[in-house]
Amino acid sequence: GESVGLHLPTLSVQEGDNSIINCAYSNSASDYFIWYKQESGKGPQFIIDIRSNMDKRQGQRVTVLLNKTVKHLSLQIAATQPGDSAVYFCAEKRKPNAGNNRKLIWGLGTSLAVNP
Amino acid sequence: DGGITQSPKYLFRKEGQNVTLSCEQNLNHDAMYWYRQDPGQGLRLIYYSQIVNDFQKGDIAEGYSVSREKKESFPLTVTSAQKNPTAFYLCASRSTGSYGYTFGSGTRLTVV
Repeated sequence: GESVGLHLPTLSVQEGDNSIINCAYSNSASDYFIWYKQESGKGPQFIIDIRSNMDKRQGQRVTVLLNKTVKHLSLQIAATQPGDSAVYFCAEKRKPNAGNNRKLIWGLGTSLAVNP
Repeated sequence: DGGITQSPKYLFRKEGQNVTLSCEQNLNHDAMYWYRQDPGQGLRLIYYSQIVNDFQKGDIAEGYSVSREKKESFPLTVTSAQKNPTAFYLCASRSTGSYGYTFGSGTRLTVV
């Protein structure tokens, strides 16, 4: 299953399928990106990050892809499990000379529902 | 274990009351942040502090106040001037030179 964060905030997939969660960013001055997972009633947890000088980074069952040409970030989850059900947020950090003092700029989030 | 602790987990406020949300971290992080999260929405920055005795307004600071007297502590006061305070409040911290945030488990504030 695949989503575009702002236009399709809910993604439903079958257990065992791969999930792709997308995020668009608007500022070419962003040089660092993070994905967080937030389970219901809890604080966000770090999943994986990527710097702008990379286009791909892999973790355990997760891969982040960065396409700077179209300002697009995606999180791929392999063999999605029920425990992956959560809201996933992308966040970007802009270079200090673009303001924001290293604050993260957060996306709206995509809700992932895994069907058994 | 190092971490960031928010308390209480649930808080009820009567209209016109000020309430204070606690955030404590033992990670030796310099920067601390307060976010507000409304149902089905992302995180909005209320206040942040990059060093003791200094803090800056975020995007939605009106009706809130903070203090940073100790490195470990960054309490948030929701004042009566905040007209719609019902939300989930998240505290986070970050060490200098790192970009990743560590979040607390949140405080759910409800106006009754």
